[in-house]
Amino acid sequence: GAVVSQHPSRVICKSGTSVKIECRSLDFQATTMFWYRQFPKQSLMLMATSNEGSKATYEQGVEKDKFLINHASLTLSTLTVTSAHPEDSSFYICSATAGGARDTQYFGPGTRLTVL
Amino acid sequence: AQSVTQLDSQVPVFEEAPVELRCNYSSSVSVYLFWYVQYPNQGLQLLLKYLSGSTLVKSINGFEAEFNKSQTSFHLRKPSVHISDTAEYFCAVSPGAAGNKLTFGGGTRVLVKP
Repeated sequence: GAVVSQHPSRVICKSGTSVKIECRSLDFQATTMFWYRQFPKQSLMLMATSNEGSKATYEQGVEKDKFLINHASLTLSTLTVTSAHPEDSSFYICSATAGGARDTQYFGPGTRLTVL
Repeated sequence: AQSVTQLDSQVPVFEEAPVELRCNYSSSVSVYLFWYVQYPNQGLQLLLKYLSGSTLVKSINGFEAEFNKSQTSFHLRKPSVHISDTAEYFCAVSPGAAGNKLTFGGGTRVLVKP
């Protein structure tokens, strides 16, 4: 199957700093990428949908100014957590799909963010 | 909008015993259905999916799921589990041809005991 990578796999930062997470589709062009957040022992919650070359669409309750998403190319999307606080600590997962509704979403391995 | 309910948060099972993970959904539109598996400290992997056609879908490692439209269910089954099947299993739906946003259930943690 297709491969999606995330970098870094884990990051620890101080409160008030910004953290950038990269999501790359390694062997296919991803027209759409999704960003999810997963709290311990809970399910994935969709944060936003990102289409290459256009602004991301955020889910209700997700602060777009806090979670900046950029999808500059068909193989790269970035999520920047701005002015991170301890409550932003979580597991962030991206997924990517090459096409429409029938195409499989391929998930990255996730990034564990810990804000001190 | 869609919602997904996985009735069992945790399922302990002995090796070589059968297992069934229940998944029910609600939606105002026709849906596509998915089961994903998450092994410890890893990302999600697609196990199987139903888009259309035969309501019984199978994975390469012995899992199967059946779409039941009248009961709005997509239960996952395996007749004989292995230790390596210990993982978290997530049921998900998307709004069919209308788009590819996934809505996940709460997950079921399967613990296979020797």
